[in-house]
Amino acid sequence: SQQGEEDPQALSIQEGENATMNCSYKTSINNLQWYRQNSGRGLVHLILIRSNEREKHSGRLRVTLDTSKKSSSLLITASRAADTASYFCATDMEYGNKLVFGAGTILRVKS
Amino acid sequence: DGGITQSPKYLFRKEGQNVTLSCEQNLNHDAMYWYRQDPGQGLRLIYYSQIVNDFQKGDIAEGYSVSREKKESFPLTVTSAQKNPTAFYLCASSILAANTGELFFGEGSRLTVL
Repeated sequence: SQQGEEDPQALSIQEGENATMNCSYKTSINNLQWYRQNSGRGLVHLILIRSNEREKHSGRLRVTLDTSKKSSSLLITASRAADTASYFCATDMEYGNKLVFGAGTILRVKS
Repeated sequence: DGGITQSPKYLFRKEGQNVTLSCEQNLNHDAMYWYRQDPGQGLRLIYYSQIVNDFQKGDIAEGYSVSREKKESFPLTVTSAQKNPTAFYLCASSILAANTGELFFGEGSRLTVL
């Protein structure tokens, strides 16, 4: 069963613009993570936000978490063509690092 | 360089054949995982293992089998019982003691049934 659902399914923007992706989940979590996947490749971990945190930054990435609404957002500022990829949120619902992934948002950054 | 190695990258199988996908890690991670990825459906957990000689079923284990005889290795066998095996398979590992859940992924194996 999928815990997280990303929105939108696909996003196309111009280079330099900001990209915002959202993730909603259903049950209580310990933390929420965002991953990136280039076409045909493995996933790469971007950022983790714990359930007691509300916002976190890493370079051009900004993640927010609203546990009352069971939602998270990933903002990529000043996007580049190299940011073109699929982005997934993942939540852990139990000890043992068992992650559940959403269906992902496909981001295309046009140069 | 430490990492996770999956092989083969591409694999073709005839219906009725079993195939085994290899996953090796040199990160000294405790836990290893197999995910299946289909277009538009994200990743679904097949099996995971937190310790040698022990593993648990994930959400879609039917038609698959695994073994964990060594800490570094977690091969996945796609059996003939798997009704729709064509997919992209991803292996991952993590440090259990860190309790963060961060996964490190291999580059994937794409299986096509002819």
